Amino acid sequence: NAGVTQTPKFRILKIGQSMTLQCTQDMNHNYMYWYRQDPGMGLKLIYYSVGAGITDKGEVPNGYNVSRSTTEDFPLRLELAAPSQTSVYFCASSYSTRAGRGASSYEQYFGPGTRLTVT
Amino acid sequence: AQSVTQLDSHVSVSEGTPVLLRCNYSSSYSPSLFWYVQHPNKGLQLLLKYTSAATLVKGINGFEAEFKKSETSFHLTKPSAHMSDAAEYFCVVSDQARGYNKLIFGAGTRLAVHP
Repeated sequence: NAGVTQTPKFRILKIGQSMTLQCTQDMNHNYMYWYRQDPGMGLKLIYYSVGAGITDKGEVPNGYNVSRSTTEDFPLRLELAAPSQTSVYFCASSYSTRAGRGASSYEQYFGPGTRLTVT
Repeated sequence: AQSVTQLDSHVSVSEGTPVLLRCNYSSSYSPSLFWYVQHPNKGLQLLLKYTSAATLVKGINGFEAEFKKSETSFHLTKPSAHMSDAAEYFCVVSDQARGYNKLIFGAGTRLAVHP
């Protein structure tokens, strides 16, 4: 299994440009996530999906959009790039059989990241 | 709400000496806790996880962590540091939010290993 793959690895955008960060997983995980990591900080959740056709906002969703048409793919769209979106973006996936408080938690598997610079 | 605090932003050790990376958590119920490692320009890799089966958890590359409920701590240790251990380490607590398994990350501890 390739696990979680992300493309591109690096990208430089001009302010106002748009782009899509691609994420694919081959582990048949139903949950997928997008995080951003700013220097000296932990990861912040942008969006997540609990299955094909279902997405929801995380902690920092402004300026981003997502879609989940298949179990495998979870692209992240930046419509009008801003310097504040300069960051490293990580996609992750997990397989969870239950939800709600007290349920077992399953670790997330991360992709290698996309380093994005907006100038 | 859950939270996690990594008590040291930077730790520096000599090769062959013990490693201690400290983590405290706040949780309203019995949490799942994780340590992830991030090598430079790489993604995050799971080192170990605690899910209430045993308080002393062994992970990859000789790392282990002990869950201490009375101290709300989950410190990461290794008896003897290797140069390849130099990386960023994240303590993570899992939270149940809106029907999915949310991960809350600490700010990270950068481990430097000197010859």
